[in-house]
Amino acid sequence: AQSVTQPDIHITVSEGASLELRCNYSYGATPYLFWYVQSPGQGLQLLLKYFSGDTLVQGIKGFEAEFKRSQSSFNLRKPSVHWSDAAEYFCASNTGGGNKLTFGTGTQLKVEL
Amino acid sequence: DGGITQSPKYLFRKEGQNVTLSCEQNLNHDAMYWYRQDPGQGLRLIYYSQIVNDFQKGDIAEGYSVSREKKESFPLTVTSAQKNPTAFYLCASMDGYTDTQYFGPGTRLTVL
Repeated sequence: AQSVTQPDIHITVSEGASLELRCNYSYGATPYLFWYVQSPGQGLQLLLKYFSGDTLVQGIKGFEAEFKRSQSSFNLRKPSVHWSDAAEYFCASNTGGGNKLTFGTGTQLKVEL
Repeated sequence: DGGITQSPKYLFRKEGQNVTLSCEQNLNHDAMYWYRQDPGQGLRLIYYSQIVNDFQKGDIAEGYSVSREKKESFPLTVTSAQKNPTAFYLCASMDGYTDTQYFGPGTRLTVL
């Protein structure tokens, strides 16, 4: 069965510092990959997605992610974090029938001022 | 303004009661999904529907039921058979052209 792993449960960065959130997937072929962000008590907002083609994808709010097939990874990056980026981030993949999403357990980002 | 609405935002239930969570979308999407979110566990799929009058069980369907009588509506009933229903419930619909799911704001259910 496919799975998505986010190894970091919590990450703390200083405002203005760079950020990288890790995501690994397990699937034989190339899955569709997504990053979502969730503020407390809210729904999920799509940041970016990868289906095929260019392995570096740009998203909203200055985020980008790079698909690396050799490492089965799809890490999320931002060059300079803002205090408003504090939230929970979820990586997800879509490979099954019905376009079901498999989610990682999430990474909680804290931003220190 | 297109989007997905869920109501109510907060819901309290006594043990032994069934409750129904509403999910409506005006995005004209065919597929809709229900997820349950618990701290530290990510999101888990309860039920999904790819078309009106059809739906399939997800990974944790026991104790839940759904219906899909209209394209824009996909209500979820949490029955008394669900042993631990306190959670945050998220509804989503999928754009069939981009295979991308979009989420509603969620309903927090608490069993008293």
